[in-house]
Amino acid sequence: SQQGEEDPQALSIQEGENATMNCSYKTSINNLQWYRQNSGRGLVHLILIRSNEREKHSGRLRVTLDTSKKSSSLLITASRAADTASYFCATVITGRRALTFGSGTRLQVQP
Amino acid sequence: AAGVIQSPRHLIKEKRETATLKCYPIPRHDTVYWYQQGPGQDPQFLISFYEKMQSDKGSIPDRFSAQQFSDYHSELNMSSLELGDSALYFCASSLIGGLGYEQYFGPGTRLTVT
Repeated sequence: SQQGEEDPQALSIQEGENATMNCSYKTSINNLQWYRQNSGRGLVHLILIRSNEREKHSGRLRVTLDTSKKSSSLLITASRAADTASYFCATVITGRRALTFGSGTRLQVQP
Repeated sequence: AAGVIQSPRHLIKEKRETATLKCYPIPRHDTVYWYQQGPGQDPQFLISFYEKMQSDKGSIPDRFSAQQFSDYHSELNMSSLELGDSALYFCASSLIGGLGYEQYFGPGTRLTVT
């Protein structure tokens, strides 16, 4: 990936469990965003966290950002089978507006 | 709410042919981005336009060109197609003056080069 890696590459959990995905990046950023993609389909924006924020919540999603470690995590609580998808972090590098994507985590939630 | 529209949704071309992909951004959005996603890969930024002017350039091959028209729709033109151009091509739009840099993606055009 141009910007960083996501960890794990694949994750399989049971419905009701929590899922945690991590993302690392390499350069100074303006913000970091998480997107979801169902197989072969469009990318859906989930949440954006700015470089001066440390944590953000949206429904069952919790995102943290550690700019000193250049890393972020996405926590999905009480997962559902419908959460099965690939999750990408994407950064907006300082001075630019285009997204630079990480390599994605494939999440499988077993019913 | 209106979303980003892309056409066609699927396109099959032969090597060395040309292809034109179209994108209609969300109304009032002023920036359009193009991304390419190869099989099993993460999306890669190609090019963007702000107020009809090219605003940023990524890993777009010289064989590709793009433009944004007065009605804000954008077209990605691809010539001398190669097998490696087979991918999902996404268009996204955003409002620079808005809450942030959230980009709203279209459903993508799946290009298959044979």
